[in-house]
Amino acid sequence: AQSVTQPDIHITVSEGASLELRCNYSYGATPYLFWYVQSPGQGLQLLLKYFSGDTLVQGIKGFEAEFKRSQSSFNLRKPSVHWSDAAEYFCAVVEAGGTSYGKLTFGQGTILTVHP
Amino acid sequence: GAGVSQSPSNKVTEKGKDVELRCDPISGHTALYWYRQRLGQGLEFLIYFQGNSAPDKSGLPSDRFSAERTGESVSTLTIQRTQQEDSAVYLCASSLRRQGYEQYFGPGTRLTVT
Repeated sequence: AQSVTQPDIHITVSEGASLELRCNYSYGATPYLFWYVQSPGQGLQLLLKYFSGDTLVQGIKGFEAEFKRSQSSFNLRKPSVHWSDAAEYFCAVVEAGGTSYGKLTFGQGTILTVHP
Repeated sequence: GAGVSQSPSNKVTEKGKDVELRCDPISGHTALYWYRQRLGQGLEFLIYFQGNSAPDKSGLPSDRFSAERTGESVSTLTIQRTQQEDSAVYLCASSLRRQGYEQYFGPGTRLTVT
């Protein structure tokens, strides 16, 4: 069965520092990959997605992610973190095509704390 | 346009009572999903609706859980005889495209079973 691992439960960075959140997946088929952000009391907001093509994808709020098939990874990055980026981040995977109906498999989430 | 809305935003219930959670998808979105998010965990898929097709109920954790959706409109998730382990945030998402690759999430309903 497919699975998604986010190794870091909690990350703390200083405002203005760079950020990388890790995501590894275990998937036999061609995956479509997503990063979502969840602010306290809010639903999930899609940051970016990868379906095919260029393995470096740009998203909203200055985030980007790189798909590395050889490492089964889809890490999220931001060059300079803002205090408003403090939230929980989820990596998710869905099987491309097939009968998955877009049923997302989520990682456990990474909580990001930003120090001023 | 309006996003996905869910009601109530918070629900506290006693163990053994039934609860109903509501989801209003984005107008025109054909696919609708329910997920559960327990404290400190990622989201678990519960059920999927696509138009008038039979729903995919493969994620429902027990027969105490059921959900309905009429056409492409509102959906309700019902939990009967609630247990403390049902305490979680229940999130609804909708999608325009059949295979739901871009899902838009509601704010969730936080359910607390005492």
